Amino acid sequence: DQQVKQNSPSLSVQEGRISILNCDYTNSMFDYFLWYKKYPAEGPTFLISISSIKDKNEDGRFTVFLNKSAKHLSLHIVPSQPGDSAVYFCAASWGITGGGNKLTFGTGTQLKVEL
Amino acid sequence: EAGVTQSPTHLIKTRGQQVTLRCSPISGHTSVYWYQQALGLGLQFLLWYDEGEERNRGNFPPRFSGRQFPNYSSELNVNALELEDSALYLCASSLFVEAFFGQGTRLTVV
Repeated sequence: DQQVKQNSPSLSVQEGRISILNCDYTNSMFDYFLWYKKYPAEGPTFLISISSIKDKNEDGRFTVFLNKSAKHLSLHIVPSQPGDSAVYFCAASWGITGGGNKLTFGTGTQLKVEL
Repeated sequence: EAGVTQSPTHLIKTRGQQVTLRCSPISGHTSVYWYQQALGLGLQFLLWYDEGEERNRGNFPPRFSGRQFPNYSSELNVNALELEDSALYLCASSLFVEAFFGQGTRLTVV
């Protein structure tokens, strides 16, 4: 029962172009969403998050969009840089007072930014 | 400010043995989470500790257990190791929702 899905296991983008990573979820109780980046043999690094009361959040080159009706979120990276090459995980939470503060992760998308 | 630290970084154990992994959270964080990332798979939630108590547990057998100490550090214990327990074990801490991860412990069961 995969409640958070990242259907694209890999994505290849040219340097300077936009990277769009997608994530779908099934549990309508999720109210907070996060993106993490992970390099091999390291722990995930928090990138950006969005609450369900918003539909967009920006932080520098990273923008997360949330479409609650479609239960879909996406991470846009503009412009993409070679250092962005990593595995990106989408995660969801339904908050502290609900089912707990644990994060449910997707299976990840390997982004490769080529020169 | 020190991040989440885990020890050891690598470990090799024999099937049937027991192992203890350790985690120190970011100072001021009261919640500690444990996740397993098996080869080629995503992060699977194992355990959540907050204020010294187990708050939530993932879909793992009882031989996976842990505890949180008064200083909020945590241990993950795995008994009767099986080959499929070979994975990267990640600890994370948080104050609110965003969790910050350590480097992980790579466990290999042979």
